[in-house]
Amino acid sequence: KNQVEQSPQSLIILEGKNCTLQCNYTVSPFSNLRWYKQDTGRGPVSLTIMTFSENTKSNGRYTATLDADTKQSSLHITASQLSDSASYICVVSRYGNKLVFGAGTILRVKS
Amino acid sequence: GAVVSQHPSRVICKSGTSVKIECRSLDFQATTMFWYRQFPKKSLMLMATSNEGSKATYEQGVEKDKFLINHASLTLSTLTVTSAHPEDSSFYICSAREDSRSSYNEQFFGPGTRLTVL
Repeated sequence: KNQVEQSPQSLIILEGKNCTLQCNYTVSPFSNLRWYKQDTGRGPVSLTIMTFSENTKSNGRYTATLDADTKQSSLHITASQLSDSASYICVVSRYGNKLVFGAGTILRVKS
Repeated sequence: GAVVSQHPSRVICKSGTSVKIECRSLDFQATTMFWYRQFPKKSLMLMATSNEGSKATYEQGVEKDKFLINHASLTLSTLTVTSAHPEDSSFYICSAREDSRSSYNEQFFGPGTRLTVL
């Protein structure tokens, strides 16, 4: 069954701290993996996209990693800011262009 | 580039009425558009896929007569919720893809429309 599981479900951290969000998937055949940031009441915004051959990709303070062998990905946020408070969604694309969405991790950054 | 807009951003309607939501790709031609719905604290659920000029393909369990989708041009798709009921209240998000744009076949998401049916 094609699934994407994210952990933790929610996370609270202090401003300035780092955090890492996890994503495990069982999607096949795998095409690429994306991380999105979704602010409350808004549509998802792409942070990173990685294909099978890419192990890491950065976008400012966001760094995503991918281990295609273990089918795991992580999103590391460095020096968190209040504006990082959002839902972070891991999405895996299957060949044939179907997207499989994770349930998301709700991050809250406190001052 | 790759901006997708939705209108309205928020709509409140009475039970039994119909509501139309527009999705526009502003700076590219969207060969394919997708409609999702999202319940609170849940992930996006694909409702249907539409290609310009052809009938939409609905996901299992989605009533095509209730959720009418029209993709009349390469920059506009509309979702009409017919005879809306309170259980149709949700956050509706569209996305658009230009099939030749990227090897990733990336979808660009709109900002969403909050529908509340009283």
